[in-house]
Amino acid sequence: GDSVTQMEGPVTLSEEAFLTINCTYTATGYPSLFWYVQYPGEGLQLLLKATKADDKGSNKGFEATYRKETTSFHLEKGSVQVSDSAVYFCALIGGDRYKLTFGKGTLLTVNP
Amino acid sequence: EAQVTQNPRYLITVTGKKLTVTCSQNMNHEYMSWYRQDPGLGLRQIYYSMNVEVTDKGDVPEGYKVSRKEKRNFPLILESPSPNQTSLYFCASSSTGGGNYGYTFGSGTRLTVV
Repeated sequence: GDSVTQMEGPVTLSEEAFLTINCTYTATGYPSLFWYVQYPGEGLQLLLKATKADDKGSNKGFEATYRKETTSFHLEKGSVQVSDSAVYFCALIGGDRYKLTFGKGTLLTVNP
Repeated sequence: EAQVTQNPRYLITVTGKKLTVTCSQNMNHEYMSWYRQDPGLGLRQIYYSMNVEVTDKGDVPEGYKVSRKEKRNFPLILESPSPNQTSLYFCASSSTGGGNYGYTFGSGTRLTVV
């Protein structure tokens, strides 16, 4: 079945540091890929998405590129802020169009 | 405002006492789903619905029931809750099965069963 593997962290960075959170996937066909963010005490918010190979999703300074050859969708940001502290989930929708398959989440803490 | 609304946000109950967590969306979405979030396990799908009166099991359906009598509502029912159902629950909805737009999530319901 479909699966998502992401670095589990926790990841601790200083403000303005470069962020990478690795995400790889296993899926049949051509899945759609997503990054969701969960701020403390809140629900999940869609951060960005990509629906086909080589698409780049971007939002709020975050980017991720759908790499079919390496089955990856790594999340990057050039300069993190304290307000980016949250849990980040990589997810996909594959053969079962009714199910999001999630990675286990990565806790990011950004210190001033 | 387009949103998915869950109630209650927090609930503490005792083993065996039936409870319902409500979920409502105002976006006229066909697809709705319930997930539970547990430390170290991420989010796992409990049940989903493709439209009114059409539901199916997800990965962890044991101990849960759902119904979809109206398009906007998708309640989660625990008929005899047990402590292993203590978790954070999320309802989500989508217009197209999520492939192009992803799912919109509610704010969550933190359930504690003692």
